[in-house]
Amino acid sequence: GQQLNQSPQSMFIQEGEDVSMNCTSSSIFNTWLWYKQDPGEGPVLLIALYKAGELTSNGRLTAQFGITRKDSFLNISASIPSDVGIYFCAGPRGGSNYKLTFGKGTLLTVNP
Amino acid sequence: DAGVIQSPRHEVTEMGQEVTLRCKPISGHNSLFWYRQTMMRGLELLIYFNNNVPIDDSGMPEDRFSAKMPNASFSTLKIQPSEPRDSAVYFCASSSREQSQYFGPGTRLTVT
Repeated sequence: GQQLNQSPQSMFIQEGEDVSMNCTSSSIFNTWLWYKQDPGEGPVLLIALYKAGELTSNGRLTAQFGITRKDSFLNISASIPSDVGIYFCAGPRGGSNYKLTFGKGTLLTVNP
Repeated sequence: DAGVIQSPRHEVTEMGQEVTLRCKPISGHNSLFWYRQTMMRGLELLIYFNNNVPIDDSGMPEDRFSAKMPNASFSTLKIQPSEPRDSAVYFCASSSREQSQYFGPGTRLTVT
């Protein structure tokens, strides 16, 4: 099936550092979504990408839809303590518009 | 704008009892999703409604689970009778564009 491989699984960084994480698949995705989940809360949609090559920013976050449609990356610049959480990539699978496949997540820890 | 609203946030019940989880989607969204999240299985789609009509309930674990959406602003997920293996965090999500789903804060269910 269509699986999403996220890397790294976890990151420990110092406040102020930039962060990069990515998501790859052996299958083509037509949409890439990036979510952040805080402990005890639901996933929050950060960025949605709909076109190959698309580069989209949301504040300190930047995400790109890979040209091959098989990958996406998320960058966080100048990290702050509240960036701590689990970041998930997701995309619709199997030709469906609504059945999302989620990556296993990247756990980000920011040391102040 | 208010996000997706779920209630209760926490539910502790005994095995065999009926549990009802509630969701108010974002106003104007015509798609609603119920998910279950566990450490072992991650996020699983249980059921998807479009314009208040159940479109895909293939993820509903068994007959003990049922979901309704009587109108555009309200949905319920019911478990009867509940079992300890139903313990999980249940999320409701809504969207106006099926891929970009916005999640509620979740209901943490514990069945003892």
